[in-house]
Amino acid sequence: TQLLEQSPQFLSIQEGENLTVYCNSSSVFSSLQWYRQEPGEGPVLLVTVVTGGEVKKLKRLTFQFGDARKDSSLHITAAQPGDTGLYLCAGGSNYKLTFGKGTLLTVNP
Amino acid sequence: GAVVSQHPSWVICKSGTSVKIECRSLDFQATTMFWYRQFPKQSLMLMATSNEGSKATYEQGVEKDKFLINHASLTLSTLTVTSAHPEDSSFYICSATGTGRLEAFFGQGTRLTVV
Repeated sequence: TQLLEQSPQFLSIQEGENLTVYCNSSSVFSSLQWYRQEPGEGPVLLVTVVTGGEVKKLKRLTFQFGDARKDSSLHITAAQPGDTGLYLCAGGSNYKLTFGKGTLLTVNP
Repeated sequence: GAVVSQHPSWVICKSGTSVKIECRSLDFQATTMFWYRQFPKQSLMLMATSNEGSKATYEQGVEKDKFLINHASLTLSTLTVTSAHPEDSSFYICSATGTGRLEAFFGQGTRLTVV
């Protein structure tokens, strides 16, 4: 069974601060996705990374896939209250996604 | 991204009755659909994986007779919670993917409350 360890589990910061969320596994994934979920809604895909060492930027969000394709990080610069939500990483193999437990981020104004 | 529509968004039912939740892929052929359950402030727990035209594969601990999954077409999968009990109350989410796609796309989720 593939497992994804996500840390931290909870994070509460002030507006304007930077933060990093980590997603680690002992397994190799063919691809890794990051999702953001707001209460009462389904997760929304933010990014997919497929190449070891890959870095993708989405405005203030920077995603990195580890060289060995076993881990990933999400860095948010100058966090805003609108960034509040549950951030989930998911590793994919054979179309089956394994989810981390998520990081619940609260950005206080 | 691709669009997956889940219906209903919320449902309240009496204990002992059955509830059907639909998951539709609107703009692509969903060869594989996944059903998840989520408790408040927790991550998604995979219940089962269904491939179009085949029987669903259930995760360990999920009762297949209680959570009936049908994936009869490339655009529709249904989850029926049979003889629902209050402990079945939860947020149920489907996702879908298709041939050649790396990602799965999620429905909006269904809030089930059994009273």
